[in-house]
Amino acid sequence: KAGVTQTPRYLIKTRGQQVTLSCSPISGHRSVSWYQQTPGQGLQFLFEYFSETQRNKGNFPGRFSGRQFSNSRSEMNVSTLELGDSALYLCASSIGQGETFFGQGTRLTVV
Amino acid sequence: KNEVEQSPQNLTAQEGEFITINCSYSVGISALHWLQQHPGGGIVSLFMLSSGKKKHGRLIATINIQEKHSSLHITASHPRDSAVYICAVRGADGLTFGKGTHLIIQP
Repeated sequence: KAGVTQTPRYLIKTRGQQVTLSCSPISGHRSVSWYQQTPGQGLQFLFEYFSETQRNKGNFPGRFSGRQFSNSRSEMNVSTLELGDSALYLCASSIGQGETFFGQGTRLTVV
Repeated sequence: KNEVEQSPQNLTAQEGEFITINCSYSVGISALHWLQQHPGGGIVSLFMLSSGKKKHGRLIATINIQEKHSSLHITASHPRDSAVYICAVRGADGLTFGKGTHLIIQP
């Protein structure tokens, strides 16, 4: 069965712009979570959704938002991009809080 | 907020050696994950543990809930095991990650 799919894989944006990243979970998985990975901070939790409801949110500013659709697909949005938002953004899906499967990530570069 | 400490940060070993990576956390959890990340970014979940021990091939993971400690062992290590190994704990506020252990296995 298909894994977790993230699009796009690479993205270059300019400071001040906004960006939307997409994640399609494994079929049947209703829980989707997002993470940011940078060389300095490592992996950090952004938010978690289950059945279209945000279940948890990490310690990130309000510029970072997300949503989940009825088909479990999820998007995250970052507005007013800053240079420090350059990172690898990873999405993961699971059945509830069970084994977690990660996508390949979207590498965002803000210039 | 949970604090997750991994050791060592970097480890270089010879092919065939027995490898141990440790993870300690500060607050009670519902589960602990061991993840593997190869260059290029892809992350693979190796184990999810809430108690005891699990084994998959040459990999063994153990957790001691009372001591808030987990270990990942690799037996008969191979150059293809070279990767970053990350411990992550699930608490009330989602997953908290360790900084990772960068493992290099030399032939």
